[in-house]
Amino acid sequence: GESVGLHLPTLSVQEGDNSIINCAYSNSASDYFIWYKQESGKGPQFIIDIRSNMDKRQGQRVTVLLNKTVKHLSLQIAATQPGDSAVYFCAESLQGGKLIFGQGTELSVKP
Amino acid sequence: DADVTQTPRNRITKTGKRIMLECSQTKGHDRMYWYRQDPGLGLRLIYYSFDVKDINKGEISDGYSVSRQAQAKFSLSLESAIPNQTALYFCATSDGPGLAGETDTQYFGPGTRLTVL
Repeated sequence: GESVGLHLPTLSVQEGDNSIINCAYSNSASDYFIWYKQESGKGPQFIIDIRSNMDKRQGQRVTVLLNKTVKHLSLQIAATQPGDSAVYFCAESLQGGKLIFGQGTELSVKP
Repeated sequence: DADVTQTPRNRITKTGKRIMLECSQTKGHDRMYWYRQDPGLGLRLIYYSFDVKDINKGEISDGYSVSRQAQAKFSLSLESAIPNQTALYFCATSDGPGLAGETDTQYFGPGTRLTVL
């Protein structure tokens, strides 16, 4: 069946280090993938997306990598800051506009 | 996102009561969605609507109903609330896939925390 899962439920990094959050997906027909950030008490906030015909996309301090061969998605955050502490979700878009979300990875940034 | 608002933000109710959660958006998006989030889990889709005359069941629609009153408003009802419906509920909107190939990114409201006793 279709599923999106995360390799690690928690990630702790030192301020200033780079963070890498991973995600596995199972549906080869997904159109695109999205990373969301959810801070405590708030709704998910869009970070970056990548279409299935791309391997890499960069934003401000974030990079998403897509490896379709092994159905793997990663979010890299450069120079991680305390404000980056949150739960990060990957989601894959199925045809028809529906999103399937992973369970989330909690990122904790130590000062 | 301030463009997507949800009311109430918190609600405590009793088993068997009827509850309505409301969502409004000023983004001008045609598509609206209702999700549920449980601790340690991702978001699961309850219902979605691609325009005012379109309503579709999501992954976990049993025990819920929706109404799309206008392009900007999409409400979720629990006809007879039960304790396992205690969760965070999120509304989201999107503009549909763009003609230039833009992705159909969903934008979320702040959530409603519902507790059913």
